[in-house]
Amino acid sequence: DSGVTQTPKHLITATGQRVTLRCSPRSGDLSVYWYQQSLDQGLQFLIQYYNGEERAKGNILERFSAQQFPDLHSELNLSSLELGDSALYFCASSVGARNEQFFGPGTRLTVL
Amino acid sequence: GDSVTQMEGPVTLSEEAFLTINCTYTATGYPSLFWYVQYPGEGLQLLLKATKADDKGSNKGFEATYRKETTSFHLEKGSVQVSDSAVYFCALSDLGMNRDDKIIFGKGTRLHILP
Repeated sequence: DSGVTQTPKHLITATGQRVTLRCSPRSGDLSVYWYQQSLDQGLQFLIQYYNGEERAKGNILERFSAQQFPDLHSELNLSSLELGDSALYFCASSVGARNEQFFGPGTRLTVL
Repeated sequence: GDSVTQMEGPVTLSEEAFLTINCTYTATGYPSLFWYVQYPGEGLQLLLKATKADDKGSNKGFEATYRKETTSFHLEKGSVQVSDSAVYFCALSDLGMNRDDKIIFGKGTRLHILP
């Protein structure tokens, strides 16, 4: 158990819908990262937050957004969902830069 | 940009065989290198890491040495077990001139160990 929790574990929805994925980092970790794992693209970095502020952006679509709240939990919002958004979404946390990232168990999103 | 290339799988070995999974990287700065493992139905776990040239990371019988001259970080284990069956990801994190510390992953190598 890494100490990072993600909810829900599974999510099934339809095209065009909007969903919110939630991540609680390990106690004391200020950085939260979101990654997408799909069969064709592999594991890709989406976005990073540090202590409530966006710090880095990767291959995140404009239909996707994220935020980190004062209690340091983070949410990833996916809207206007397409079939190709079906993937495993991982959250990771770390104390700060250059520190080990601890990964949550992931949320499996299926878009029908 | 930075990238990681690792050998494609699946790799199938018999128990107690020697394992090598090749990994090479491209980076502009001074990356830290990692191997992560993903067991079926689970998230990623850090297996080992190395933060500078010639460092050797080791854990659970797995080893990898940071070779700057060949830009490689090959994963090895002398005697694999059925329980080692998983997907292995080589990865790097390169602060370089930027401040972000995202991890860049290879595509993963599925390892299947036969009893």
